[in-house]
Amino acid sequence: NAGVTQTPKFQVLKTGQSMTLQCAQDMNHNSMYWYRQDPGMGLRLIYYSASEGTTDKGEVPNGYNVSRLNKREFSLRLESAAPSQTSVYFCASSEAAGVVTEAFFGQGTRLTVV
Amino acid sequence: GDSVTQMEGPVTLSEEAFLTINCTYTATGYPSLFWYVQYPGEGLQLLLKATKADDKGSNKGFEATYRKETTSFHLEKGSVQVSDSAVYFCALTPGGSNYKLTFGKGTLLTVNP
Repeated sequence: NAGVTQTPKFQVLKTGQSMTLQCAQDMNHNSMYWYRQDPGMGLRLIYYSASEGTTDKGEVPNGYNVSRLNKREFSLRLESAAPSQTSVYFCASSEAAGVVTEAFFGQGTRLTVV
Repeated sequence: GDSVTQMEGPVTLSEEAFLTINCTYTATGYPSLFWYVQYPGEGLQLLLKATKADDKGSNKGFEATYRKETTSFHLEKGSVQVSDSAVYFCALTPGGSNYKLTFGKGTLLTVNP
């Protein structure tokens, strides 16, 4: 059982380049999330999707877009990368709203923007 | 809005020492509370949780009690091991139809042999 799978694991971009981070879960979870982790800042929510077909902004959405492609997949796109987006990105999934279950996290994508 | 405050790190202990990592929260209603752990180079994984006041979550020798009167969820372990070295995150979900996790900034724990 793979859980939450993120690709790629590492990426270096030049300022202004675009890229998409992929995330897939095989646990039939309804809710999926994208976080970024920066030193001294903990994890901050970028976007989330309560269920297939819905997406909402989190705490730090500027510079990002997301797509909930189907129930399994939730991608994060950087249209024009900036050095401030250098971070470790985590995708997570959990059960439906109102059901208190744990969130399962992927291994992370370490992104460097130069 | 909702927030989680946990003690600043890093925390360095000797093996078999007692561990406390403080966590307090601000939330309306009745949040659920969590401790997640992140080992080097890995994603986060759930350590323990509590869903209502006075609940005690426990796992792998770690414990935390949901204290509504003090809005706290402090993590404790009686005797830490080198393998407990990791970053620990306190988190909450507001409850009801709001499932978003809000995290504290994390506390780095290093346990020396």
